[in-house]
Amino acid sequence: EPEVTQTPSHQVTQMGQEVILRCVPISNHLYFYWYRQILGQKVEFLVSFYNNEISEKSEIFDDQFSVERPDGSNFTLKIRSTKLEDSAMYFCASSELQSMNIEAFFGQGTRLTVV
Amino acid sequence: DQQVKQNSPSLSVQEGRISILNCDYTNSMFDYFLWYKKYPAEGPTFLISISSIKDKNEDGRFTVFLNKSAKHLSLHIVPSQPGDSAVYFCAASARGGSEKLVFGKGTKLTVNP
Repeated sequence: EPEVTQTPSHQVTQMGQEVILRCVPISNHLYFYWYRQILGQKVEFLVSFYNNEISEKSEIFDDQFSVERPDGSNFTLKIRSTKLEDSAMYFCASSELQSMNIEAFFGQGTRLTVV
Repeated sequence: DQQVKQNSPSLSVQEGRISILNCDYTNSMFDYFLWYKKYPAEGPTFLISISSIKDKNEDGRFTVFLNKSAKHLSLHIVPSQPGDSAVYFCAASARGGSEKLVFGKGTKLTVNP
């Protein structure tokens, strides 16, 4: 069964450092997303990406964040200068385009710990 | 700004009985609703969805009911099994945009053998 895969599963970084979280969406999906879940809180939308550009972003997704689809398979989230409050589980998701059913399929997540 | 609310943080039921998880929403633009199940250290797994043109959708042991006038939906699991123990998230979307999902805070379901 096709699945969304994320690497690494756990990333520890020092405050102020840059991190890149990587995702391989399901191959025939065209919408890509990043969500995050701070410990004990709800899953929050960060950004959606379609046709090689951001289609929507939340207030959380400020100038420190960027996304890229560098090739035909990978989808990355970059945080330029990490802060302690960026510590969270980051989930990548993908969904089909123009489907009556818009279920997003999630990866297993990357736990980012900023120290 | 809690557009999707799951007011019960936890629910405990006996194996074989019905589990009912509730969700309320405030945004009338939402027209598609989903339930996800999440185990610790894993990503959310899609369970079942319903469009606003329907009031019920069934898939095996899982049924989702939608009451648009009350802006309320519920997930019924019957019979409940110990393997159903997980956190259940309600999510909503307004199709026609980026299809982003707005999640509730989740309800932790424990099914006791």
